Amino acid sequence: EVQLVQSGAEVKKPGESLNISCQGSGYSFTSYWIGWVRQMPGKGLEWMGLIYPADSDTKYSPSFQGQVTISADKSVRTAYLQWSSLKASDTAIYYCASGIITPWYYFDSWGQGTQVTVSS
Amino acid sequence: QSALTQPRSVSGSPGQSVTISCTGTSSDVGAYHYVSWYQQHSGKAPKLFIYDVNRRPSGVPDRFSGSKSGNTASLTISGLQAEDEADYYCSSYVGSFTLVFGGGTKLTVL
Repeated sequence: EVQLVQSGAEVKKPGESLNISCQGSGYSFTSYWIGWVRQMPGKGLEWMGLIYPADSDTKYSPSFQGQVTISADKSVRTAYLQWSSLKASDTAIYYCASGIITPWYYFDSWGQGTQVTVSS
Repeated sequence: QSALTQPRSVSGSPGQSVTISCTGTSSDVGAYHYVSWYQQHSGKAPKLFIYDVNRRPSGVPDRFSGSKSGNTASLTISGLQAEDEADYYCSSYVGSFTLVFGGGTKLTVL
C-alpha cells in the first residue's frame, strides 16, 4: 500500500526555522516526483513545488521560489519542506503528494497534512 | 501564474446533476490535456477524482465526469448524493514543470 506519512503539527514563532517531513512507503520512492501543496486557513490549494528524490531535481512555483526549500533524503525515503525564517502568513496546512499511478503532474497519493502555526 | 477561476459555490438536490467550471487561459487549460479535479472533504486531504481532463482513477464512481472546451474545463456530477458534498479543485499543467490549482468550489447537497 502506498503511504505518505507526514510529521506532526508545529507551533513556531515568527523568525524561527522549521523543517517538516514526508516519508514514503509501499512504492519505489526514488522513481516518482513528490510535491508540496499549501492550504491556508479557510482557503484553497496552492502548488508549491516538486522534487525528484533520485537526484533531488527540484522545481518551484514562482510564488514560493526563495520562500521555502524543498529537499529529499532517499536513504530514509523522506522529502522535506524547510523555512529559514517563518512569518505569520506561513500558517497553513501543508500536504505532500505524489503521482504514483498517474503521471507526475497529478497527485493520486497524499499525506495526511501537517498543520503549521506561526504566532508570537 | 494566476489561479484558475472556479465558482465559489454550487448546489443541487439529491439525484440532480451539477457542473463546476474551471476557467484558465490559452497558456494552461487551453494548452494542455493535463487537467485534473480533486475532491476535499472538510478536514481531510484532497483526493484525485479526474485526470487527463476526463479519466477516472480506479474507485471513483462513474457519476463523476470531466470535459474541456477551449480554456474552460468542467466537472459534472450526476445523481448527486449527500456524500458528494465537499470542496472541489481543478488543476492544470502550465508548462515548465509548473502546476496551478483553481480557487475551489464548495458543493452543497440540499
